[in-house]
Amino acid sequence: GQQVMQIPQYQHVQEGEDFTTYCNSSTTLSNIQWYKQRPGGHPVFLIQLVKSGEVKKQKRLTFQFGEAKKNSSLHITATQTTDVGTYFCVGGTSYGKLTFGQGTILTVHP
Amino acid sequence: DTAVSQTPKYLVTQMGNDKSIKCEQNLGHDTMYWYKQDSKKFLKIMFSYNNKELIINETVPNRFSPKSPDKAHLNLHINSLELGDSAVYFCASSAPGGEKLFFGSGTQLSVL
Repeated sequence: GQQVMQIPQYQHVQEGEDFTTYCNSSTTLSNIQWYKQRPGGHPVFLIQLVKSGEVKKQKRLTFQFGEAKKNSSLHITATQTTDVGTYFCVGGTSYGKLTFGQGTILTVHP
Repeated sequence: DTAVSQTPKYLVTQMGNDKSIKCEQNLGHDTMYWYKQDSKKFLKIMFSYNNKELIINETVPNRFSPKSPDKAHLNLHINSLELGDSAVYFCASSAPGGEKLFFGSGTQLSVL
């Protein structure tokens, strides 16, 4: 079955450092979504990418979708303490199935 | 107005008991889900319903029984609770076509 692998599982950074999490799918995706879950909270949708090679930015966050539509990354520039949480990628297929990556737990030290 | 609401937020119970978690969405979505999140934050889909019909039933013990009385509600009943059932359970909904998921605030289940 479809698998979405996400690395790293944990990332500890100093405030101001950059952070990147990566996702790789075993199959070609129709789209990829990214979610953020704050500690004690629930996952919240950040963005969806659908085009091959697509790059989208939200302030300090940059999202990329690979040319082959099998991998994606989320990059945060100059992390802040408000960025702490777990970031999930979710691979979507053309028939609507969603597969979560394992998540990356980000800790930011002030 | 909360889009996806689930109750209770916390549930502490003894092994062997039966408990239910309720979920309601006011977004008009056709598809609803139950996810289980373990202590390592892994989110695992348990069930998915589309317009009251079960469409995804992952490998979940049959002690877990979802019920959807209408497309705005998806409840989860758990029989004979075990220690390993302790986790956070999230309800979610989405519009047709695999659009983004809207999650409830979660139910933290602790089985003692």
